[in-house]
Amino acid sequence: SAVISQKPSRDICQRGTSLTIQCQVDSQVTMMFWYRQQPGQSLTLIATANQGSEATYESGFVIDKFPISRPNLTFSTLTVSNMSPEDSSIYLCSVGQYNQPQHFGDGTRLSIL
Amino acid sequence: SQQGEEDPQALSIQEGENATMNCSYKTSINNLQWYRQNSGRGLVHLILIRSNEREKHSGRLRVTLDTSKKSSSLLITASRAADTASYFCATEGTSYDKVIFGPGTSLSVIP
Repeated sequence: SAVISQKPSRDICQRGTSLTIQCQVDSQVTMMFWYRQQPGQSLTLIATANQGSEATYESGFVIDKFPISRPNLTFSTLTVSNMSPEDSSIYLCSVGQYNQPQHFGDGTRLSIL
Repeated sequence: SQQGEEDPQALSIQEGENATMNCSYKTSINNLQWYRQNSGRGLVHLILIRSNEREKHSGRLRVTLDTSKKSSSLLITASRAADTASYFCATEGTSYDKVIFGPGTSLSVIP
């Protein structure tokens, strides 16, 4: 199964700033996913990142707020822009193929002051 | 929304007892997956059951799927304190493009 590394593991940021989260996979994968998990809640899909095309965003998430890059088949970044306290969450990347389990990184714990 | 409900939201049992968690969903699915999350860390995959399967086992875990009722259950037998975690079901739709998570069940196993 794929091994996924996420950086940073946690950060504390000032409101109005932006943070870029990196996700590195140890094998080539077609589909990568970014989720947000607000405190005490389940995972909400932000977007699907496919190499060579624009990310597909879910309802309620926009590219200006959460720009995503997918430069190759083993790497993706998610930027949380112009952060506010409401953005305090765990952000997780995952990889998966259809009809197969998803594999997750350990997540990035983000706190906004 | 593709995903429905999980119940109970929270479950507290004694070590050695069985724990049952239920999941319902709204639309047709390709498969249903169960995950465990310890203390807000990354998720660990437990079992994937495909839409043409009715039951699956893995160690102390048993998952059932009833597509006519759009529901699934996860049974953990002979629970241990180490089973304390949040458990989530997730569904992959028939378009194969994404996996959507349910609200989850918080399980506490008391030694």
